[in-house]
Amino acid sequence: GENVEQHPSTLSVQEGDSAVIKCTYSDSASNYFPWYKQELGKRPQLIIDIRSNVGEKKDQRIAVTLNKTAKHFSLHITETQPEDSAVYFCAASPTGANNLFFGTGTRLTVIP
Amino acid sequence: ETGVTQTPRHLVMGMTNKKSLKCEQHLGHNAMYWYKQSAKKPLELMFVYNFKEQTENNSVPSRFSPECPNSSHLFLHLHTLQPEDSALYLCASGRVMDTGELFFGEGSRLTVL
Repeated sequence: GENVEQHPSTLSVQEGDSAVIKCTYSDSASNYFPWYKQELGKRPQLIIDIRSNVGEKKDQRIAVTLNKTAKHFSLHITETQPEDSAVYFCAASPTGANNLFFGTGTRLTVIP
Repeated sequence: ETGVTQTPRHLVMGMTNKKSLKCEQHLGHNAMYWYKQSAKKPLELMFVYNFKEQTENNSVPSRFSPECPNSSHLFLHLHTLQPEDSALYLCASGRVMDTGELFFGEGSRLTVL
């Protein structure tokens, strides 16, 4: 089955700096790569996703890049704010599957 | 937001107890999921139900017994659990054969004494 690895496990940045979280996946059949944000005590919520026919996608301060050849994808947050502090999970979904395989999460702390 | 609702939010039980977790979705989805979230581990898929039929059991011990009476409701029946089963249990819903967003509930925090 699919195996998703995520790094780093913790990340601290100063407010206004950028944050980058990286994930790798093992199944070349995976074609959907979402990112979820989970604030303390809250549910995971989708913040951005990308499909395998696209190399990059941007939504305001958040962007995701995908390298299918190398089987890795990354989340980029620019101009970080304290409210960006949360745990971020990457995930991958193989073609034809309607479930997600998650990474271990990255705890991002934005220092004011 | 009440798209996916889980009850109870917190549960403490002894190893000999029997309890159930409940999940309800109001999004018109036809796929429902149970995930287990433990510290420093990825979200672990436990069960998947498509159109009320179980399509995946990710080698979950039989002390966890799911039930899906219809596309809107999902239960997780618990009996003779172990302390290592203490975790946050998340329910999610989505659309069958639509590789896309899953909508999660707030989770049920389970503590097994």
